Amino acid sequence: TQLLEQSPQFLSIQEGENLTVYCNSSSVFSSLQWYRQEPGEGPVLLVTVVTGGEVKKLKRLTFQFGDARKDSSLHITAAQPGDTGLYLCAATNAGNNRKLIWGLGTSLAVNP
Amino acid sequence: NAGVMQNPRHLVRRRGQEARLRCSPMKGHSHVYWYRQLPEEGLKFMVYLQKENIIDESGMPKERFSAEFPKEGPSILRIQQVVRGDSAAYFCASSPGQVMDTEAFFGQGTRLTVV
Repeated sequence: TQLLEQSPQFLSIQEGENLTVYCNSSSVFSSLQWYRQEPGEGPVLLVTVVTGGEVKKLKRLTFQFGDARKDSSLHITAAQPGDTGLYLCAATNAGNNRKLIWGLGTSLAVNP
Repeated sequence: NAGVMQNPRHLVRRRGQEARLRCSPMKGHSHVYWYRQLPEEGLKFMVYLQKENIIDESGMPKERFSAEFPKEGPSILRIQQVVRGDSAAYFCASSPGQVMDTEAFFGQGTRLTVV
């Protein structure tokens, strides 16, 4: 059983479209992070959210942490081919902030 | 400022051989984490180390796997008597502090193939 459920698992869209991917859990987390991973590379941190209801923007990316700190979403506006990659969410528990718990990721393909 | 360096990038071992994976953290980082990534399982925490100390090894298999982070030199993840099920991508991350809420930087990984 995966503690962090990410959806959709795969997403293929055309350049210029908007999209939202989700990270859900029944557990409460002290913080949640979003990463992007390209083939053959390690994950690269995009953002960390720690406060329930928090919204962070990074250019065309908008990240939201649920009020109850159990879920998060990533919205991309006007997707570009360079956004292609595996988007992973990872979280820490209040009782153990030394290690990350990971979702399986959403594999995004943006077609020109 | 070099990032987290892992080597080798690719490693092929026959069943029963030993695999040694190396990780040099970013300059100024004294905390190292090892993760394993399998396609159907995602990234799984293995071990958290500081210089000369293992802090949390709750994700390490009980047998054949060991890790160290000596005072001098890189962190080493060692897998003895490898089996096919050990084939995976192994990632190392480093951070300046123990709290993973802060930014942790990942290396490019070592892809281990056991034949």
